Amino acid sequence: GAVVSQHPSWVICKSGTSVKIECRSLDFQATTMFWYRQFPKQSLMLMATSNEGSKATYEQGVEKDKFLINHASLTLSTLTVTSAHPEDSSFYICSARTGGTREQYFGPGTRLTVT
Amino acid sequence: DAKTTQPPSMDCAEGRAANLPCNHSTISGNEYVYWYRQIHSQGPQYIIHGLKNNETNEMASLIITEDRKSSTLILPHATLRDTAVYYCIVRSAQAGTALIFGKGTTLSVSS
Repeated sequence: GAVVSQHPSWVICKSGTSVKIECRSLDFQATTMFWYRQFPKQSLMLMATSNEGSKATYEQGVEKDKFLINHASLTLSTLTVTSAHPEDSSFYICSARTGGTREQYFGPGTRLTVT
Repeated sequence: DAKTTQPPSMDCAEGRAANLPCNHSTISGNEYVYWYRQIHSQGPQYIIHGLKNNETNEMASLIITEDRKSSTLILPHATLRDTAVYYCIVRSAQAGTALIFGKGTTLSVSS
């Protein structure tokens, strides 16, 4: 149980275009979802927290107009990287939590390369 | 959440026990100790967590000192597939908070 999927697993896009990453909880209702970013040889950095039906809360230094997060249902959250640039190339990982529990379940990650 | 300190890297021979230390000297009474690992280019995987008592599951054991200022994750019989970055995270009991990752320990298991 507690499986989180991400789609796509990897994507290459041209500079200036937008790309959407999906995060789904497959067997539980995710009341809260978290988005992380990981650059090579670095740790995961929390980008934002989103609760179903509410606007996401972004961490300091993360541009909310560039990284659009939608959490419209209890099983799906999307991260859209708008006007992507090569410096946005990174490993994006989502995580989901249900109800009043502390446990966070992680997706497999999405590798974004902007050329 | 309290800060944690881990050695940047450790080596272990296959079949031997891997003991990964973590210091969390500023941990407060209601904070848990969590361990996750990340195999290259994958999402983090939950290993174990504890509050005060030692814990054991099918993957590992967690030993927390009596003063709770440090802990050790033990992989009893390390295999090559245990090569990963291991993260020790101290986390509030408050349900809504996100896990915050430090730099972790890169464990290299060799044959």
